[in-house]
Amino acid sequence: EDQVTQSPEALRLQEGESSSLNCSYTVSGLRGLFWYRQDPGKGPEFLFTLYSAGEEKEKERLKATLTKKESFLHITAPKPEDSATYLCAVQARSEKLVFGKGTKLTVNP
Amino acid sequence: GAVVSQHPSWVICKSGTSVKIECRSLDFQATTMFWYRQFPKQSLMLMATSNEGSKATYEQGVEKDKFLINHASLTLSTLTVTSAHPEDSSFYICSARAMTSNEQFFGPGTRLTVL
Repeated sequence: EDQVTQSPEALRLQEGESSSLNCSYTVSGLRGLFWYRQDPGKGPEFLFTLYSAGEEKEKERLKATLTKKESFLHITAPKPEDSATYLCAVQARSEKLVFGKGTKLTVNP
Repeated sequence: GAVVSQHPSWVICKSGTSVKIECRSLDFQATTMFWYRQFPKQSLMLMATSNEGSKATYEQGVEKDKFLINHASLTLSTLTVTSAHPEDSSFYICSARAMTSNEQFFGPGTRLTVL
């Protein structure tokens, strides 16, 4: 069974304090790994898709990386507006996404 | 680009009534749409996958007669919660995938409260 585990469950940072979120996965035949951002009471917002180990993608203060067992979402010099829940999802042989429980990030000014 | 809308954004209904939620892809054609449910402080759980013009495929444990899904066009899918009960209260979110893309883009969600 495909599984996604995200850690930590919650993370508090000071503005400017860089850190990383982890997404470990077990899947037979990874077609893609996706990162989303979700604000309270809203739908997830697409951030990145990674397809193969070694791949990296960047967007503003966020950088996502992928290995054969896990993905990291690095946040450089975060700002309060980066506060949200970050969701990781994997896609295996079907087009279904299996989501982790997310990491709730709070960035204090 | 890749904007998905949902209507209504929230709805309150009495137990036993039916509620319809619309999901529209505004600037692309969605060959596949997905319906998820999210309980407080939990992640998204896929309920069903629908392809335009075909019957929806439901996940194990999801009652197809209770959650009716129609994907009548490449830009519109609807979820009808029939004979709603308080335990159906949840946050329902749709997503859409374009023909030429692997990414799913999500709508803003619909908060359903059944009294």
